Amino acid sequence: DIQMTQSPSSLSASVGDSVTITCRASQSISRYLNWYQQKPGKAPKLLIHVAAGLQSGVPSRFKGSGSGTDFTLTISSLQPEDFATYYCQQSYSTPYTFGQGTKLEIK
Amino acid sequence: QLQLQESGPGLVKPSETLSLTCTVSGGSISSSSYYWGWIRQPPGKGLEWIGNIYNSGRTYYNPSLKSRVTISVDTSKNHFSLKLSSVTAADTAVYYCARDDYGGGVDYWGQGTLVTVSS
Repeated sequence: DIQMTQSPSSLSASVGDSVTITCRASQSISRYLNWYQQKPGKAPKLLIHVAAGLQSGVPSRFKGSGSGTDFTLTISSLQPEDFATYYCQQSYSTPYTFGQGTKLEIK
Repeated sequence: QLQLQESGPGLVKPSETLSLTCTVSGGSISSSSYYWGWIRQPPGKGLEWIGNIYNSGRTYYNPSLKSRVTISVDTSKNHFSLKLSSVTAADTAVYYCARDDYGGGVDYWGQGTLVTVSS
């Protein structure tokens, strides 16, 4: 299985800040990396597909980048609704593994 | 608008089989080029991919569960199902059904259903 490691596990930020979450794969996954946002009690929501593709309806302040083994999700100008847990997922090969999650909290 | 809805028992006894169904509305399972799958999340923990199925019946399973998992599809009813046998407390989780864009991520999710394994 491909292991996905996210960092940090948690971070605190203020409304208006920019934050970056990183995701590292245990082997090259080309650009088959997706990012999800999950709020308490809700299903995850796809934000970014194939490393940098913005999912329809997702604000442009969410930006994904990377290829190979190293990927980042950057959220600029944080809004109150952005405070949530974020997961990366590789879709290069089954089983499609997820990172452990990054909890973004309000400072 | 595509919608997915899980259904099935919320409580399963240890050693028994967990059975869930996902009914798809707003689109046809058989007419699309997507995979349909299951993902679970133990309380307070992260996400685990269980497996998926194409409308032809081709399946992919997580090797960690493969001996216990069966995913099937019924295109006439526009639904797909999950069976997980010999469950233990470790299988207690919220189970999500989802549409998998085969490499492009999971773009539609059910609301999730909590299944508790307990006697």
